[in-house]
Formats: sequence, C-alpha cells, structure tokens
Amino acid sequence: EVQLLESGGGLVQPGGSLRLSCAASGFTFSNYAMSWVRQAPGKGLEWVSGLSGSGILTYYADSVKGRFTISRDNSKSTLYLQMNSLRAADTAVYYCAKDRGFDIWGQGTMVIVSS
Amino acid sequence: QPVLTQSSSASASLGSSVKLTCTLSSGYSTYIIAWHQQQPGKAPRYLMKLEGSGNYNKGSGVPDRFSGSSSGADRYLTISNLQFEDEADYYCETWDSNTYVFGTGTKVTVL
Repeated sequence: EVQLLESGGGLVQPGGSLRLSCAASGFTFSNYAMSWVRQAPGKGLEWVSGLSGSGILTYYADSVKGRFTISRDNSKSTLYLQMNSLRAADTAVYYCAKDRGFDIWGQGTMVIVSS
Repeated sequence: QPVLTQSSSASASLGSSVKLTCTLSSGYSTYIIAWHQQQPGKAPRYLMKLEGSGNYNKGSGVPDRFSGSSSGADRYLTISNLQFEDEADYYCETWDSNTYVFGTGTKVTVL
C-alpha cells in the first residue's frame, strides 16, 4: 500500500525550531518529487516547499524562504522539513505529498507556535 | 505564477449532481490542474489530474461518480449521484516550473 506518514510536530515557542519527517512506503521513493503543504486552522491549503527525486533541486514559498530547509534521505525513503525561526503564522497542520499533482497525501502533523 | 479561482460554496440535494469550477488566470489556460477532496477533520485526498483537453486521470479508489471536464481556462469537477460523504472542501491545484498554487476551495454541502 502506498503510504506517507508524517511525524515531528508539536508545540514550540516563537523563534524556535522543529524538524518534521515523512516516511514513505509502497513506491520507489527516489523516483518522485515530494512536497510539504500546510493548512492553518480554518484556512485553505498552502504549498510550502518541494524537492526533486534526487534531492538536488529545492524550492520554497516566499513565506518560508530562508527559514525552512527541505531534504530527503532516499536510502530511508524519508522526507524532512527543518523549520527554524518559527512564527505564530507557521501554526498549521503540515502534510507531505507525492509528485506533481500531489497524488498521495500523508495524514498530517500539527505544529503550534506559541509562547 | 498562475492564480486559481473557485467559488466559496456549492450545495445540492442527495442523489443529484453538482459541478464545481476552477478558473485559471490569464496566460495559463492550457495548464493541467489537480482536484483534491478534504472531508471534515481529514487529510486531503487526490481525486484526479485534469488537462485542458478534458482528459483526466483519477486516483486509485475514486468513485465513478467523480468526473472532470474543461473549457478554455475553466476546469470542472462534476459529482454525480451526490452522497452525504461527498460533503467536503474541494481544492484545485496547479504548478508552474516547480512551485505550486491552490485555489481557495469550494465547500460542498449535501442537502
């Protein structure tokens, strides 16, 4: 079964850091671009960051550029999102999603930035 | 960067049909989009990719009741024989180079 499973969310103070993980199974992970998408409480979906199958090419939304870093370990079929200098506006459920068009979604992990 | 426009809400009776629209901004009328469903309290679910030609490719397990079509810059999602479990938010999404954009979503209510 094709599956994505996020972890690493939690409560963090403004200015703090958090690292999210997304474990993939059921497909050849290295063959596909991957992305992180977030959803603030009561709001719509917002693409955050993406990277190529090799992990060499990375892309960011302006709202997180310079603060978040996306990476992957293809030997572990795992996607990461390192989030630094977190702000209250980063509070959201974070989803990982597979390939262009996001044909597979994870269940999400909640990040709350609050003092 | 393309912009996707969706109406905020739609409603239809149980067993009837509803047609949702996603409009691509000027200059992007040939772009492929994807439709996603998000039921209350759940993660989004991929429904289909939809081309400007009207050809679409549904995800695994998506019921036959869901279909796509296109006209110019408009991309449509039609839900036939509407069921209570179809009550959800529906988002369209597209990409340009390697960045992605979502529409604001349409909330579907089943009466």
